[in-house]
This record gives sequence, structure tokens and C-alpha cells, in this order.
Amino acid sequence: EPEVTQTPSHQVTQMGQEVILRCVPISNHLYFYWYRQILGQKVEFLVSFYNNEISEKSEIFDDQFSVERPDGSNFTLKIRSTKLEDSAMYFCASGFVAGGEETQYFGPGTRLLVL
Amino acid sequence: AQKITQTQPGMFVQEKEAVTLDCTYDTSDPSYGLFWYKQPSSGEMIFLIYQGSYDQQNATEGRYSLNFQKARKSANLVISASQLGDSAMYFCAMSLTQGGSEKLVFGKGTKLTVNP
Repeated sequence: EPEVTQTPSHQVTQMGQEVILRCVPISNHLYFYWYRQILGQKVEFLVSFYNNEISEKSEIFDDQFSVERPDGSNFTLKIRSTKLEDSAMYFCASGFVAGGEETQYFGPGTRLLVL
Repeated sequence: AQKITQTQPGMFVQEKEAVTLDCTYDTSDPSYGLFWYKQPSSGEMIFLIYQGSYDQQNATEGRYSLNFQKARKSANLVISASQLGDSAMYFCAMSLTQGGSEKLVFGKGTKLTVNP
């Protein structure tokens, strides 16, 4: 069964460092997303990506964040200068909308710890 | 503003019994989707079931069914014949059509514990 994959599963970084979180969405999906979940809290939307551009972004997704789909398979989230409060689980998701049916499947997440 | 409310922080159920996890939503958009996800202690988010706002019938997926009451704006998840492996956090989420992207708005979750 196709699935969304994410690497790395865990990342520890120093405050101020750049991190790149990688995702491989399900191959026939057209919509891509990043969400984050701070420990013990609910999942929050960061950004959606469709047709090679950002469709929507939340207020969390400030200038420190960027997304790219550099080739036909990878979808990346870059945080330029990490802050302590960026520590969270980051989920990539992909989905499609067809015939009134929606899907949105999540990857296993990358647990980011900023020290 | 769009909002998902899960009023049960924690629920307990005996193995093999059914359990209902509550979810209410608030939106003025006539077109939306409702999702349930399971998050085990390992952290991944597992898609369980989807209901579209125009669907006439309640969604079912194996032991999961969604009790969709549009007038009440509720989308409760029913798990039949609970198993020990069902112990996890359960999140209700709503998708909003925004120019083709379907961002999800999540509730705070319900922690389900299945007792042997």
C-alpha cells in the first residue's frame, strides 16, 4: 500500500541552525501539506502546496519557513534559523480530491528538537 | 471561524465493547470534509475515515463508522468491538476547500484507553 515517507525520523539541532525536513508524498497525489504538533498539543496547519506553488499558509509559516518540490517526488520544508519554539513533530501529508472524495494521508513525522 | 471541538479529553472502554468519540464542528462553508485520525504513542497519524458534507450516508470503514448529524454539526466516531490496539489519541479534523487545497483544522483530541 502506498504511503507517505519522511526523513529523518528525529533531528536534534542547535538554535539558529538551518534544518531541512524531507518528505516523499504518495505518487499520484496532487496536494501536499506540512503540519506540526507541539508536544501534547493539537496538530496545526503550516502550509499547503499545489501545482508547484504555495496554496495557503498559516501565520506560523513566517519568513523563516520555505517549501520546495525540487523534483517529481520530494517535498521539503526548510527552517532557516531554528528557534527553541520550533521544537515539534512535523508531519508531511499528501492527498487528492476526486469525485467528492478526499484523502489526506500523513507521513510518520519528523521529531525536531531545537536546543 | 472554523473550529473543531472534542469535549472528551479521555475515554475508557472495555475490550470488545463499542465506544463513541464525540466531535462537533463549526463552519459556514457548505462544502467541507470530516476526518478522523488515530495517533498511537509512537506518534504517527493514521487516517481512519472520511465523511463529505454532501454525503447522504454515514461513512463506514471496517470497525469504524462516522455518525454524521449535519443539523447538529456533529461527526462522532464509533468504534465497534474495541481491541487493546485501539488505545491511542483520536483526532477529529475538518477540511475546508480553499482554491483547491484542503487544509485540515484539528480538534484537541481524545485519549482512548481500552481495558482488558
